[in-house]
Amino acid sequence: SQQGEEDPQALSIQEGENATMNCSYKTSINNLQWYRQNSGRGLVHLILIRSNEREKHSGRLRVTLDTSKKSSSLLITASRAADTASYFCATMGVGANNLFFGTGTRLTVIP
Amino acid sequence: GAVVSQHPSRVICKSGTSVKIECRSLDFQATTMFWYRQFPKQSLMLMATSNEGSKATYEQGVEKDKFLINHASLTLSTLTVTSAHPEDSSFYICSAIRGLAGQETQYFGPGTRLLVL
Repeated sequence: SQQGEEDPQALSIQEGENATMNCSYKTSINNLQWYRQNSGRGLVHLILIRSNEREKHSGRLRVTLDTSKKSSSLLITASRAADTASYFCATMGVGANNLFFGTGTRLTVIP
Repeated sequence: GAVVSQHPSRVICKSGTSVKIECRSLDFQATTMFWYRQFPKQSLMLMATSNEGSKATYEQGVEKDKFLINHASLTLSTLTVTSAHPEDSSFYICSAIRGLAGQETQYFGPGTRLLVL
């Protein structure tokens, strides 16, 4: 299976704290993407980081990529209750255009 | 931004019936669309790649005769779950690719929740 793994599976924090989620994958990639999914809803694209990039920022989001370790992390700073959702990483392989999703992290931000 | 729609958003059917789910790219043409399945509290699993004008490419373990995919136009792909059974109950999500090679972005539909009784 090309599915990546994420940890932790679930994370519960207080509003205002930072949340860090990690993603590990197995094959060489062209890019890695992070998505958010609210319960029972569709996916929201958050950020894309290419294999030749090491770090990327978007608002309160910071993504890092370590291709030597085949891992990525998503940091959400100053979390809000509205950040409560499941977060998935997804990888696009070299020469491919399909995505393989990680197992996801369920984030709960307590007001 | 690009919009992908799915219809229906929710469907309940009896065991043994077939269900068709539509995926449309509303404001762009997509030669490639993808179908995913998501079981409760699990991740998305890629089922197949739908290519306009040619046969779909199925991932390992996905029965092509069970999940029929048709991509007859550049804006529409359909997934038909044939002879549906309760274990086919799931959230089905499609996505469509937009952009030039090397700069493609996938846009996801809102999903279709299938419940087979």
